[in-house]
Amino acid sequence: AQSVTQLDSQVPVFEEAPVELRCNYSSSVSVYLFWYVQYPNQGLQLLLKYLSGSTLVKGINGFEAEFNKSQTSFHLRKPSVHISDTAEYFCAVAGRGAGGTSYGKLTFGQGTILTVHP
Amino acid sequence: ETGVTQSPTHLIKTRGQQVTLRCSSQSGHNTVSWYQQALGQGPQFIFQYYREEENGRGNFPPRFSGLQFPNYSSELNVNALELDDSALYLCASSLADRGEGKLFFGSGTQLSVL
Repeated sequence: AQSVTQLDSQVPVFEEAPVELRCNYSSSVSVYLFWYVQYPNQGLQLLLKYLSGSTLVKGINGFEAEFNKSQTSFHLRKPSVHISDTAEYFCAVAGRGAGGTSYGKLTFGQGTILTVHP
Repeated sequence: ETGVTQSPTHLIKTRGQQVTLRCSSQSGHNTVSWYQQALGQGPQFIFQYYREEENGRGNFPPRFSGLQFPNYSSELNVNALELDDSALYLCASSLADRGEGKLFFGSGTQLSVL
């Protein structure tokens, strides 16, 4: 079983400032890691994912995240945010398994609401 | 636009009733996962269907059931509705065989149980 803790429920930031959204996880097995974004009244959209390989992953809209296995963290960063980044962000994990269906069995964190002020 | 559509978008039911929610997956996707998102919470995994068979289930009682059809559309059925079933229900499709790790989510069905 897995669990995910997003350490900040709300993060206010000014436009063009850097931002970091923190995510820690626990799992008894190896995991895949994801960040999803949810805009109001919409479904979730994948920002980025870590499946294997380089621990620094780059996603859409200028976001990146670093997988730290020793600290069981997967923090999301952006060097300069825009008003349009205002949304709720979810960190998620899935246990590694045979085949490609394990990606669909996600455990999500509680979400972090990012509000970008002008 | 993800290509995943859910219907209806909103639904109001009374405690004890039954409800069916529908999901049309992105073309060619053979896997669908259903999630429940309560207000202010992250989505919780209900179950997954792969090639018309249930392929994993979260911590939800048997009154939550599903179907996946040969055209890979799917249904989520909930019997004996309870007030706590009020939530946004999301479906997500993927092509498991490609192993890309990407889910495509629909916009959800908002269910209110009175």
